[in-house]
Amino acid sequence: DTAVSQTPKYLVTQMGNDKSIKCEQNLGHDTMYWYKQDSKKFLKIMFSYNNKELIINETVPNRFSPKSPDKAHLNLHINSLELGDSAVYFCASSQGLQRTEAFFGQGTRLTVV
Amino acid sequence: QQQVKQSPQSLIVQKGGISIINCAYENTAFDYFPWYQQFPGKGPALLIAIRPDVSEKKEGRFTISFNKSAKQFSLHIMDSQPGDSATYFCAAASGETSGSRLTFGEGTQLTVNP
Repeated sequence: DTAVSQTPKYLVTQMGNDKSIKCEQNLGHDTMYWYKQDSKKFLKIMFSYNNKELIINETVPNRFSPKSPDKAHLNLHINSLELGDSAVYFCASSQGLQRTEAFFGQGTRLTVV
Repeated sequence: QQQVKQSPQSLIVQKGGISIINCAYENTAFDYFPWYQQFPGKGPALLIAIRPDVSEKKEGRFTISFNKSAKQFSLHIMDSQPGDSATYFCAAASGETSGSRLTFGEGTQLTVNP
């Protein structure tokens, strides 16, 4: 009964490949996010979706394309992977557009070789 | 430009001691200040949060102190336990339409020795 689940947990791939990370939440939330945690553990927001609509895009290269097929899912597709994309990617969700608790998934560790 | 600055980067405390982590922010529009706890291999989890209309909030052994004029807030962990060893992040959010879009501090690696 995981609240926010991401797959896969680990992803190792070569430069230039295209990969996707999936996220699902069963909390009934209508706002979902992607955060990136770098090697120094710094967390930075990438995208935010509310009711399947993009509301925040934080100067992320357009190789990164989020897609929300419904309120419970937010996937992240990355084209032409680069070494610098190696990081842990966290999906999160919260209820509505007020400042409320964000629930994070367990993360996807992406390693580009 | 780092909008939320956190210190110290690492902290070692003896069991039973008090752990104190400090954060300072730039953006006066911030109006929600949560602290997150992250264990290795896990996602961050909300520990405690405060809004600027109060100066202190306490939940069990965890207390947030907030100083609006100084644009600073801190986390105090009383009676620190080895199980508290984790990375702690302060964060801030603002904006009516931004939901929980969080700006995080750099994190503090807390080690509580038995």
